Amino acid sequence: EPEVTQTPSHQVTQMGQEVILRCVPISNHLYFYWYRQILGQKVEFLVSFYNNEISEKSEIFDDQFSVERPDGSNFTLKIRSTKLEDSAMYFCASSEQDPILYGYTFGSGTRLTVV
Amino acid sequence: QKEVEQNSGPLSVPEGAIASLNCTYSDRGSQSFFWYRQYSGKSPELIMFIYSNGDTEDGRFTAQLNKASQYVSLLIRDSQPSDSATYLCAGPKAAGNKLTFGGGTRVLVKP
Repeated sequence: EPEVTQTPSHQVTQMGQEVILRCVPISNHLYFYWYRQILGQKVEFLVSFYNNEISEKSEIFDDQFSVERPDGSNFTLKIRSTKLEDSAMYFCASSEQDPILYGYTFGSGTRLTVV
Repeated sequence: QKEVEQNSGPLSVPEGAIASLNCTYSDRGSQSFFWYRQYSGKSPELIMFIYSNGDTEDGRFTAQLNKASQYVSLLIRDSQPSDSATYLCAGPKAAGNKLTFGGGTRVLVKP
């Protein structure tokens, strides 16, 4: 069964450093998302990406965050200057068709620890 | 008002019993809902979706949607220890194409 692949599985970084989280969505999927989940809290929407551009972003997704789909397969989330409060699980998700009707497939996640 | 709301639990059920989970939502325009299962330290996994009033069944799982009362429920029949997980309810906002998740209900199935 096709999978959404995320790398790395765990990243430790120092406060103020830049991190790039990588995702390879399922190949025929058109809608792409990043969510995060702080330990013990709910899954929170960060950003959605469709047709090579951001379609929606949350209040969390400020100027420190950016997304790219550089080569038609990878989908990356960059945090420019990490803060302690950015420590969380980051999930990439994708959907072939309208996710409102079909839902998403999530990747296995990247655990980001900012020290 | 929270968009999608769940009781955090834990909901403790004996093995073989029925686990009943509920979720309420605030956006009357929402047409479809999803139940995801999340094991500790893992990513959410889609197990059920429903977009019409009434019941949708898949194996031991039944999802129920009541649009008039704005709640969604999930029944797990013949609960197994492997069903012990957090169950997330998700629904769309009327505008946009993203899902909003509830905080999840933790289910513990005791042998």
